[in-house]
Amino acid sequence: EDQVTQSPEALRLQEGESSSLNCSYTVSGLRGLFWYRQDPGKGPEFLFTLYSAGEEKEKERLKATLTKKESFLHITAPKPEDSATYLCAVLPRGGYQKVTFGTGTKLQVIP
Amino acid sequence: DTEVTQTPKHLVMGMTNKKSLKCEQHMGHRAMYWYKQKAKKPPELMFVYSYEKLSINESVPSRFSPECPNSSLLNLHLHALQPEDSALYLCASSQDWGTGNGNTIYFGEGSWLTVV
Repeated sequence: EDQVTQSPEALRLQEGESSSLNCSYTVSGLRGLFWYRQDPGKGPEFLFTLYSAGEEKEKERLKATLTKKESFLHITAPKPEDSATYLCAVLPRGGYQKVTFGTGTKLQVIP
Repeated sequence: DTEVTQTPKHLVMGMTNKKSLKCEQHMGHRAMYWYKQKAKKPPELMFVYSYEKLSINESVPSRFSPECPNSSLLNLHLHALQPEDSALYLCASSQDWGTGNGNTIYFGEGSWLTVV
């Protein structure tokens, strides 16, 4: 069974204090790994799709990386508007084509 | 801004009511999804439509009835719901389902459902 574990569950950062969120996964062949941002009461907002180990993608202060067992979302010099819950999800290459989500990391950036 | 549009944003219904949630996407995607999300939990898959045909039903109770009139529209018909069905219902779409790399799922803003 596919599994996704995100850590930490919650993270509190000072504005400008860089850090990383972790997503560890177990899947029988990875078709894609996805990162989303979710603000309270809203739908998840797509950030990145990663397909193979070694791949990296960047968007503003966010950078996502992928290895064979985990993915990191690096946040450089965060701002209060980066506060949100960040969700990681994986899609297996074969079998049942269903995305499995982690439980998310709730990020709070304090001015 | 998301290109998956959901209506209504909020819905309050009694346990004997019949209501519908509606979703439209303008990205030319061939797969559409319904997810349910409870507070502090990740989205939970309910249904997948691929090329307007139901491909996955995650053992959802029959009081939830999906409908895909065409590749751009997705409805979720609600009847005789229970208070525990109160949640955020998310519509989503992707270029394809189950093939290639066009599987990134894009979500709408959601419809908040309260059953009283």
